[in-house]
Amino acid sequence: AAGVIQSPRHLIKEKRETATLKCYPIPRHDTVYWYQQGPGQDPQFLISFYEKMQSDKGSIPDRFSAQQFSDYHSELNMSSLELGDSALYFCASSLGAAPNYGYTFGSGTRLTVV
Amino acid sequence: AQTVTQSQPEMSVQEAETVTLSCTYDTSESDYYLFWYKQPPSRQMILVIRQEAYKQQNATENRFSVNFQKAAKSFSLKISDSQLGDTAMYFCAPPGGGADGLTFGKGTHLIIQP
Repeated sequence: AAGVIQSPRHLIKEKRETATLKCYPIPRHDTVYWYQQGPGQDPQFLISFYEKMQSDKGSIPDRFSAQQFSDYHSELNMSSLELGDSALYFCASSLGAAPNYGYTFGSGTRLTVV
Repeated sequence: AQTVTQSQPEMSVQEAETVTLSCTYDTSESDYYLFWYKQPPSRQMILVIRQEAYKQQNATENRFSVNFQKAAKSFSLKISDSQLGDTAMYFCAPPGGGADGLTFGKGTHLIIQP
């Protein structure tokens, strides 16, 4: 079965650079969530989209922005990168705004800021 | 906002033993889902089990079962006949309503000893 696809798997950027992370949800899933997991930390919710509209917002810095496109894939744009942005970034998807069957996570993008 | 408490940062048991991971949470929602996710060393987030809050019957998935006590807002995970492959971080997560993101607990690092 198709899963949530994230790209790239690994990314190395320098401070103050910009990064774009992509997420392709499971086919027919219309809701996408972004999470940030620092080393040894629990995942922190950043932002979610339902039917291409922002649905919920968590602890997402102002330097980050995201959107969901017409094909339901989503992109997380991160500007003015800081060393503290180094983390594993997960995308998850679900069907509808009521996640009856839970959220399916991608394998994550590991971002390293040097 | 949701709050989730996992009071056991780390647990270690012998293979084939039964282990219970605790989770308490706070929510103002009346109808919601609760989830346990597993994160092995690969860092992939894997759904272990889900519970619908309006159902009194505890969820079971093979060797995994929950003890859900809605009034006490307690949602523990029992793993029977533990296996080496169960070694992972386990996160408890009750979502909010709609397309809200998950709020994870700090996790319990479960180690299965041979």
